[in-house]
Amino acid sequence: EADIYQTPRYLVIGTGKKITLECSQTMGHDKMYWYQQDPGMELHLIHYSYGVNSTEKGDLSSESTVSRIRTEHFPLTLESARPSHTSQYLCASSEYGRGNEKLFFGSGTQLSVL
Amino acid sequence: DAKTTQPNSMESNEEEPVHLPCNHSTISGTDYIHWYRQLPSQGPEYVIHGLTSNVNNRMASLAIAEDRKSSTLILHRATLRDAAVYYCILNPLFAGGTSYGKLTFGQGTILTVHP
Repeated sequence: EADIYQTPRYLVIGTGKKITLECSQTMGHDKMYWYQQDPGMELHLIHYSYGVNSTEKGDLSSESTVSRIRTEHFPLTLESARPSHTSQYLCASSEYGRGNEKLFFGSGTQLSVL
Repeated sequence: DAKTTQPNSMESNEEEPVHLPCNHSTISGTDYIHWYRQLPSQGPEYVIHGLTSNVNNRMASLAIAEDRKSSTLILHRATLRDAAVYYCILNPLFAGGTSYGKLTFGQGTILTVHP
C-alpha cells in the first residue's frame, strides 16, 4: 500500500492566482518527483529531488517551482496560474536503488485554470 | 537513453491470458526493465521489474528475452480491473551503480478487457 498523499484532489482556480499543490510521503524516501499529464497523453517529468535541499528540473520545461526542506514533503507552486497550466499533476517517491527501486505515485491533483 | 516500443492498444477477453510485448533493442547491460500500469483517473502503479531472468509476482509475470532486446508482460487471467494503460520502462544506472530513478513514461499500451 502506497503512503503518498496529494492534496487537493481537484482544484479549479482563476487566472493569476498563486497555488501550491501538496505532496507528502511517509515512507522515508529520499527521491521525489513531479510528473505532469494531459488527458490521454504521456506523463512528463517536470521536477525531481534526491533529498533535502536538492531540486532539479525535469525533462519538460515548467513554470512551476518546487522546494524540499523536509524529507517527507515536496510541494509544487505556481506563482501565477494560467489556463495553459490546466493538467493533472502526479507526485511520486522512491528509495535510492540500483535500478530496481519502485516508484510510488499519489492519486494526482487535477488542476483547472479558468 | 534507451527507448522502448509498445503496441498502442490490445484487447483481451476476461479470464484469458494477456501477453503485452515491449521492444527495447538499445538496452544496456545494466538497465532494469520495469512495468507500470495506470488505471483511469489514477496515478501509475508498479507491476513488476526484472534484469535478466524471468520474474513472477502476484500481479503478473515478466518474460525477458535471452538477448534482453524484448520483454513480455503476462497477465495470466485478465479481469475487468486489469483494463489500463501499461508502460514498459527502462531504468538506467549512474556510472557509479545507483539509478537515476527518473523513469520516462512513453505512450504505453492501452489494454481493453471484454466481459
